[in-house]
Amino acid sequence: GQQLNQSPQSMFIQEGEDVSMNCTSSSIFNTWLWYKQDPGEGPVLLIALYKAGELTSNGRLTAQFGITRKDSFLNISASIPSDVGIYFCAGQKQGAQKLVFGQGTRLTINP
Amino acid sequence: NAGVTQTPKFRILKIGQSMTLQCTQDMNHNYMYWYRQDPGMGLKLIYYSVGAGITDKGEVPNGYNVSRSTTEDFPLRLELAAPSQTSVYFCASSYSSGGRPQISGNTIYFGEGSWLTVV
Repeated sequence: GQQLNQSPQSMFIQEGEDVSMNCTSSSIFNTWLWYKQDPGEGPVLLIALYKAGELTSNGRLTAQFGITRKDSFLNISASIPSDVGIYFCAGQKQGAQKLVFGQGTRLTINP
Repeated sequence: NAGVTQTPKFRILKIGQSMTLQCTQDMNHNYMYWYRQDPGMGLKLIYYSVGAGITDKGEVPNGYNVSRSTTEDFPLRLELAAPSQTSVYFCASSYSSGGRPQISGNTIYFGEGSWLTVV
């Protein structure tokens, strides 16, 4: 089935550091979404990207829709303890409500 | 503000048993979905529904059945539980008129998850 490759799988950083993760696909998506999942809860939408090259921010989070429409990255600046969790990218094709998810990036922050 | 509610939160099943995961949403969303999340993996779509009376298979439908008799409810049925079905299951819903998911209001809503273990 359709897959998104998300990397890295896990990150261990110090509080205050910046974080970068990305997602790639062998096929084109028309929408890229980034979710965060806290332990014991469902994913929560962070950022949605709709156009190739688009750069969108949500507070300390910035995400970009790759020019080829086959990739996206998420940056978190000045990480804080509440950023801990699993971050998922998801792709959505034109006219489809179904989402394809990446494997997730587990973020751990050392105080 | 119930949103998407799924039950039970935890369940242990024996191989071959059957059970139904319940999901209900009170937002009048037309789309509903069931995903499973295996350890260290992303979410994989099991089944989805675009409206009452309509269901369709996702990526991993084998071993599951769904029904959508009402807009609010989208139960997921496991007929003969197998160890491979040990996973966390998420129900989700959204409203679509063909437009885009919006960041404000978190248009695609997920339930809190149901942890299922088959032994």
